[in-house]
Amino acid sequence: DAGVIQSPRHEVTEMGQEVTLRCKPISGHNSLFWYRQTMMRGLELLIYFNNNVPIDDSGMPEDRFSAKMPNASFSTLKIQPSEPRDSAVYFCASSLRRSDTGELFFGEGSRLTVL
Amino acid sequence: AQSVTQLDSQVPVFEEAPVELRCNYSSSVSVYLFWYVQYPNQGLQLLLKYLSGSTLVKGINGFEAEFNKSQTSFHLRKPSVHISDTAEYFCAVTFNTDKLIFGTGTRLQVFP
Repeated sequence: DAGVIQSPRHEVTEMGQEVTLRCKPISGHNSLFWYRQTMMRGLELLIYFNNNVPIDDSGMPEDRFSAKMPNASFSTLKIQPSEPRDSAVYFCASSLRRSDTGELFFGEGSRLTVL
Repeated sequence: AQSVTQLDSQVPVFEEAPVELRCNYSSSVSVYLFWYVQYPNQGLQLLLKYLSGSTLVKGINGFEAEFNKSQTSFHLRKPSVHISDTAEYFCAVTFNTDKLIFGTGTRLQVFP
């Protein structure tokens, strides 16, 4: 079975440009999470969805960040305009909510560099 | 509020030696606890979890962890490490299985 698929794997852009990161969760999973990983802050939960509905976006840094989940098989994280401090690895993860495992399945991440 | 503390940012160890990676948590309610491993340029994958029952939990790759409620700890151990265990290890906590709070990670470096 395919795991969580993220694209692009690497993105280099200039400050002020719009960045869109994409995620396809594991089929059948109904929870989706966006995390950001940096050396300074470690892993931070940005937002998560249950059944395509955003449940908690308290980790979204500011209005420049937005996330959508138009259907069960696709989600985007958008940064507009991007800034150098947004440089990080962004992970998408999915899970089957209300299972007894509580296990998240992570994608391989999207490494973003903002110059 | 829930939080997770991993006291050691780096743990160097020689191959075949035992290792313990420490994790302490803070929560006013019952928790579920997890250890994840991240190999270079990869996402995180689950090593083991504690949901209920026996406080000694065994995971993949020979790792185990013990839940200690009185000390609010969930330390990860392996009696004999291999070079291939070199990775970043994350402790995580949740009480509703929807939202995982991760620690800052411990870099395990195994030397030959």
